[in-house]
Amino acid sequence: GDSVTQMEGPVTLSEEAFLTINCTYTATGYPSLFWYVQYPGEGLQLLLKATKADDKGSNKGFEATYRKETTSFHLEKGSVQVSDSAVYFCALTRNTGGFKTIFGAGTRLFVKA
Amino acid sequence: DTEVTQTPKHLVMGMTNKKSLKCEQHMGHRAMYWYKQKAKKPPELMFVYSYEKLSINESVPSRFSPECPNSSLLNLHLHALQPEDSALYLCASSHDRLGNEQFFGPGTRLTVL
Repeated sequence: GDSVTQMEGPVTLSEEAFLTINCTYTATGYPSLFWYVQYPGEGLQLLLKATKADDKGSNKGFEATYRKETTSFHLEKGSVQVSDSAVYFCALTRNTGGFKTIFGAGTRLFVKA
Repeated sequence: DTEVTQTPKHLVMGMTNKKSLKCEQHMGHRAMYWYKQKAKKPPELMFVYSYEKLSINESVPSRFSPECPNSSLLNLHLHALQPEDSALYLCASSHDRLGNEQFFGPGTRLTVL
């Protein structure tokens, strides 16, 4: 069945460090891939998305590339800020062979000043 | 208006109570979703409405009863809940069901005593 696997957290970085959060998936057909961010006490916010192979999503300095050959969608940011501290969820949605939307377990990021 | 609103923000109820959660969006989206999120876990899909019709029920117990009175509103009626149903209940909407990004509300924090 479909699944999303994220690297376990928490991840603790100093401000201005480079961030990578790994995400791999298994899915039927050609899913769309998303990164969502959840700040404490809030709902999820879309961070970026990619709908087909080799698409790169980007927003607020974050990037992720849809790699079909490695079934991956790793999140990167060149220089993190304290305000980036949150939980990050990788997710897939597909509508072929039935609708599915699945979230990874989430990776908590702490950024120290 | 690019917001999904949910009321109430917090709800405490006994196992014999009947209560309802409400969700509203005015973005013209035709797909709406209910998720359940336990602490430190990812959201789990419960129900999907597409064009005001229930299209997906992820084997949710009948003590949860969704309703979509019109294209802007989504309700979740609760009856005879168990303490293990305590969680954050998130509503989301998307343009349609076809792999588009979902916009999430802030959630209702439910406690069942």
